[in-house]
Amino acid sequence: EAEVAQSPRYKITEKSQAVAFWCDPISGHATLYWYRQILGQGPELLVQFQDESVVDDSQLPKDRFSAERLKGVDSTLKIQPAELGDSAMYLCASSSGQGAITQYFGPGTRLLVL
Amino acid sequence: TQLLEQSPQFLSIQEGENLTVYCNSSSVFSSLQWYRQEPGEGPVLLVTVVTGGEVKKLKRLTFQFGDARKDSSLHITAAQPGDTGLYLCAGARLGGSNYKLTFGKGTLLTVNP
Repeated sequence: EAEVAQSPRYKITEKSQAVAFWCDPISGHATLYWYRQILGQGPELLVQFQDESVVDDSQLPKDRFSAERLKGVDSTLKIQPAELGDSAMYLCASSSGQGAITQYFGPGTRLLVL
Repeated sequence: TQLLEQSPQFLSIQEGENLTVYCNSSSVFSSLQWYRQEPGEGPVLLVTVVTGGEVKKLKRLTFQFGDARKDSSLHITAAQPGDTGLYLCAGARLGGSNYKLTFGKGTLLTVNP
């Protein structure tokens, strides 16, 4: 069964350091999402890609966060510099494309900033 | 702004009991999805409901979408320890050519043996 892959699964870093997370969506899925989930909350959308283009990054803190999907397949989310408040689960999801309702989530990357 | 309110926030019950969790909003959604999330893992889709008044059953789980497509409920019959997890509802709205999901905060269910 096709799955969304994410790495690393866990990351511990010190504040002011740079971190990067990687996501490989289900093969053929054109739409890719990055969410942040703070403990005790539901996931909140950070950025959405359609192929290689960003279609929504309105909730992405652009002073420190960046995301790319250069070839329209896998994607990287970067934080530089990390802050204590960035500690959270970072989830990647994909869907088959325009008009698709169902999103499939990866296992997430749990980030702890010390 | 949290558009989806889930209740209760926490629920601890004994194996064999029945339970219902709720997902309410003042907004209309194109569809509503229920996910279960286990600690340290990503959410796993349980069901999508699309039509107002729709009822879907998945083994011991019964999902209902409100007539006005603003609210939903999840009923579990004879809960088992394996049902333990965070239950999230997510409302879908069309934004441009893609659907966007808005999640509730979830109901954390613990089923004790």
